[in-house]
Amino acid sequence: TQLLEQSPQFLSIQEGENLTVYCNSSSVFSSLQWYRQEPGEGPVLLVTVVTGGEVKKLKRLTFQFGDARKDSSLHITAAQPGDTGLYLCAGGYNQGGKLIFGQGTELSVKP
Amino acid sequence: DARVTQTPRHKVTEMGQEVTMRCQPILGHNTVFWYRQTMMQGLELLAYFRNRAPLDDSGMPKDRFSAEMPDATLATLKIQPSEPRDSAVYFCASGLVHWPQHFGDGTRLSIL
Repeated sequence: TQLLEQSPQFLSIQEGENLTVYCNSSSVFSSLQWYRQEPGEGPVLLVTVVTGGEVKKLKRLTFQFGDARKDSSLHITAAQPGDTGLYLCAGGYNQGGKLIFGQGTELSVKP
Repeated sequence: DARVTQTPRHKVTEMGQEVTMRCQPILGHNTVFWYRQTMMQGLELLAYFRNRAPLDDSGMPKDRFSAEMPDATLATLKIQPSEPRDSAVYFCASGLVHWPQHFGDGTRLSIL
């Protein structure tokens, strides 16, 4: 069974703190996506990483793909209440289409 | 901004009734996905299409679910007959690559 495990499942922090969310699997992925989902809305694609060791930055968000392409991390610097939401990672394979989603990390940033 | 449009946004119906959910993908996107989201299972892929042809529907209970793309601007997901265990949020997504780039806001389905 292909699994993508995210940790932590829940995270509640104060505005200004830093945090890291992890996404781990025993499978090798050809690509890995990170999405953010807010209540009542669909997931929004934040970033796609495809190369082992790749690092991408999106303002205060830093995404890293593991060297072996089995894991990824999302680091948020100086979190803000607007960062609150469900963060989902999803791994894809060369045959395409069949993304495996993690269960998500529910982030709450309090002012 | 271009958006994926799903209708209806909410649907409540009784067990055994037919349910049809519609999706208008972003114009020009050639890949369309149907996902189901529940608290227990998270996001699960039901089916996806490329250039209107079904590529994979292995995640879909085929005895009651069917997915079609009558044309490039419309994708449908039907459940007949519906069961309480089908209650979930159903998302449509579209893209130009192998993964969903844009999701709709979902259809929240409740089967009583």
